[in-house]
Amino acid sequence: EDQVTQSPEALRLQEGESSSLNCSYTVSGLRGLFWYRQDPGKGPEFLFTLYSAGEEKEKERLKATLTKKESFLHITAPKPEDSATYLCAASISGNTPLVFGKGTRLSVIA
Amino acid sequence: ETGVTQSPTHLIKTRGQQVTLRCSSQSGHNTVSWYQQALGQGPQFIFQYYREEENGRGNFPPRFSGLQFPNYSSELNVNALELDDSALYLCASSWTSGYSYEQYFGPGTRLTVT
Repeated sequence: EDQVTQSPEALRLQEGESSSLNCSYTVSGLRGLFWYRQDPGKGPEFLFTLYSAGEEKEKERLKATLTKKESFLHITAPKPEDSATYLCAASISGNTPLVFGKGTRLSVIA
Repeated sequence: ETGVTQSPTHLIKTRGQQVTLRCSSQSGHNTVSWYQQALGQGPQFIFQYYREEENGRGNFPPRFSGLQFPNYSSELNVNALELDDSALYLCASSWTSGYSYEQYFGPGTRLTVT
């Protein structure tokens, strides 16, 4: 069964304290690994897609990386406005439905 | 470029009733997927529509049904509502073709069943 697991479930950081969120996946033939940001009560906001092991993408304080078994979302010098739930999702082929993890709830304290 | 929109924003229904949720896909997209997100969980796939036909379905009963219209907008219908149907319902649109698989989500409809 295709599965995506995120850790930790919740993370509390001081402003400026860098850290990483983990997403491990067990899928038959990964075609794409997606990261989304979700604010409370709102829809997920697209951040990155990674297609092959070794690929990296960056956006402001966020950098996503991909290996054959997991992906990391690195947050450098976070600010309070980075507080949100970060969701990881896998696609096994084409435009098939995304398999989501439960998310990591990030809180950044000023 | 217009993003994904959903209506209504919030909805309160009674157990046993029926509900219709609506979604307008992002400009240029031809595929719509619907997801259910319970509190504290990741979104769960309900079904997907491509060219007005259902193109895949998750582990949801037949009382969850949908439509896609020629302008690629979509509806999600849920009959015989149950308390467990209370959730955030998300619509995502994408372009089926080529190498890019990004799905872009709307703001969601919060459904409460009492």
